[in-house]
Amino acid sequence: DGGITQSPKYLFRKEGQNVTLSCEQNLNHDAMYWYRQDPGQGLRLIYYSQIVNDFQKGDIAEGYSVSREKKESFPLTVTSAQKNPTAFYLCASTIQGFRTENGYTFGSGTRLTVV
Amino acid sequence: KQEVTQIPAALSVPEGENLVLNCSFTDSAIYNLQWFRQDPGKGLTSLLLIQSSQREQTSGRLNASLDKSSGRSTLYIAASQPGDSATYLCAVRPDDKIIFGKGTRLHILP
Repeated sequence: DGGITQSPKYLFRKEGQNVTLSCEQNLNHDAMYWYRQDPGQGLRLIYYSQIVNDFQKGDIAEGYSVSREKKESFPLTVTSAQKNPTAFYLCASTIQGFRTENGYTFGSGTRLTVV
Repeated sequence: KQEVTQIPAALSVPEGENLVLNCSFTDSAIYNLQWFRQDPGKGLTSLLLIQSSQREQTSGRLNASLDKSSGRSTLYIAASQPGDSATYLCAVRPDDKIIFGKGTRLHILP
């Protein structure tokens, strides 16, 4: 079945450490997105990519980095510069263009905790 | 700047009742609106997608309406069940990104 796979489901980071969250999709979607979810704050956009080898900052990009070397993959690195990384991270994808019947598809999320 | 508001933030209703969740947005220039469901600790599951040219969409016991001119959408759930307990989020797509409301946390009482 087509979908988005996020791994790992749970991730623990030590202070000063970089960690990478994986997001893979087999939907042949062009655009991919990373969101952060905190209690009471809703979903906030970190980075998004509409095409391979191109990506744009979202509302809260500081302390994060991404790459888009393949259409299927959009990994997110949480760097040591991100001072409060404990959150639930969600990856999403969609077909490029606005007149789409499919909307956005989300992965099952990665919960990152600083220890 | 587009803003999406969902009221109430939380709602509890007895099993079997019909209910309506509300979503409002400030800018009517949207391409579509999507309703999602999120269970605790899980990702988002798409429920219904309404294109800007459509007035409503239905899936089983769910019906979503869209009034673009007034900046409102409703999600109607018929004959609610305990399994409907979850957080429901609406999101609008004004450009190449979607903007979410903070959601309504729904609890169906057995």
